[in-house]
Amino acid sequence: DTEVTQTPKHLVMGMTNKKSLKCEQHMGHRAMYWYKQKAKKPPELMFVYSYEKLSINESVPSRFSPECPNSSLLNLHLHALQPEDSALYLCASSLDLGLVIADTQYFGPGTRLTVL
Amino acid sequence: AQSVSQHNHHVILSEAASLELGCNYSYGGTVNLFWYVQYPGQHLQLLLKYFSGDPLVKGIKGFEAEFIKSKFSFNLRKPSVQWSDTAEYFCAVTSSNSNSGYALNFGKGTSLLVTP
Repeated sequence: DTEVTQTPKHLVMGMTNKKSLKCEQHMGHRAMYWYKQKAKKPPELMFVYSYEKLSINESVPSRFSPECPNSSLLNLHLHALQPEDSALYLCASSLDLGLVIADTQYFGPGTRLTVL
Repeated sequence: AQSVSQHNHHVILSEAASLELGCNYSYGGTVNLFWYVQYPGQHLQLLLKYFSGDPLVKGIKGFEAEFIKSKFSFNLRKPSVQWSDTAEYFCAVTSSNSNSGYALNFGKGTSLLVTP
């Protein structure tokens, strides 16, 4: 089973709202990732968690706040977003990070976010 | 600078035509190479990957790619495309020398349209 699930599939929020995106995997992967993808563009890395600790933050604005409650779950908390933050938010996971370079990331279907 | 280059941004082919999409990378160190596909409205799926060994790798749906280390290339090929191959194709690299750890570094993508 190479499934990464994400909820919700679609989200519309105002600029003053607080919402959260959720990602889950049950493959025993210890690295989890958030990417942002604009239409017709490649995914851009936002955050990397390794063994439930934040290991990479690609200079993402503080209105995006990641959280990794356990090895299977990854959340992205959203607050005071801007319309330009509208995008597809992708979660991915992989077996390991750092110890084994030969690793494959598996992507979830994404959450399509619209900020009004 | 570290980068992944996909030379063909838009490709239009007739069904049964042969396909070759170029990908070059400028990362040093140990690299792992991937091709992902994103069908319209769907999430990223792994087509194939190269970690080591035989430089000619076969993936799903009849795709293959050849790693040529001396040319820093990992071109994707398919002998005969079908209408259902219409999608966005992304080349991606992980590198032991990357500034983002082992996260994927994507090319800008190639949009393939296959006409009946």
